[in-house]
Amino acid sequence: DAGVIQSPRHEVTEMGQEVTLRCKPISGHDYLFWYRQTMMRGLELLIYFNNNVPIDDSGMPEDRFSAKMPNASFSTLKIQPSEPRDSAVYFCASSRGGALIFGSGTRLTVV
Amino acid sequence: DQQVKQNSPSLSVQEGRISILNCDYTNSMFDYFLWYKKYPAEGPTFLISISSIKDKNEDGRFTVFLNKSAKHLSLHIVPSQPGDSAVYFCAAIRNYGGSQGNLIFGKGTKLSVKP
Repeated sequence: DAGVIQSPRHEVTEMGQEVTLRCKPISGHDYLFWYRQTMMRGLELLIYFNNNVPIDDSGMPEDRFSAKMPNASFSTLKIQPSEPRDSAVYFCASSRGGALIFGSGTRLTVV
Repeated sequence: DQQVKQNSPSLSVQEGRISILNCDYTNSMFDYFLWYKKYPAEGPTFLISISSIKDKNEDGRFTVFLNKSAKHLSLHIVPSQPGDSAVYFCAAIRNYGGSQGNLIFGKGTKLSVKP
């Protein structure tokens, strides 16, 4: 298996634009997590899904953030409109109820 | 309020010596603990874990110790190698055996192993 695949690896966008981050979890994993890493707050959970259903989205900062998982092999995290304070590395991870396997992350810069 | 704390942002160790990374937690409901290692430009990778019913787990050069009464765990790396240089994250979870909850991560400790 190729592991958890995230795209794009880097994204630079202007404030106010819509940003969509994508994730392909490991086949057979029924949990999918979106994390955000910043210097100030470390790794913080944004939302996670079980069997494509959102379980806990209490970490989503505000309504500008939304996440979907239309099927077991794909998830998106969307920010609309983006702001400079959204600049961070966003990680997707998947699991079968055990240790999380992380993707390589998407480095988002909002200018 | 941070539930998982890694109070040392960085640690420098000589090659061949022991590295000890520390982690404290506040939530007594946590029942499973994990350590992740992260290299620059990569995602965190799982390293070692321990259940709350144990006080020690060993895997090669890596050993994790859990002190539940002190709400403290530590990761020992012996002997340390330059390739161990990375950021180490401590993470905790509750209700691990049933439905998966979310991992709560510490802010990480950057380990530098000098040749």
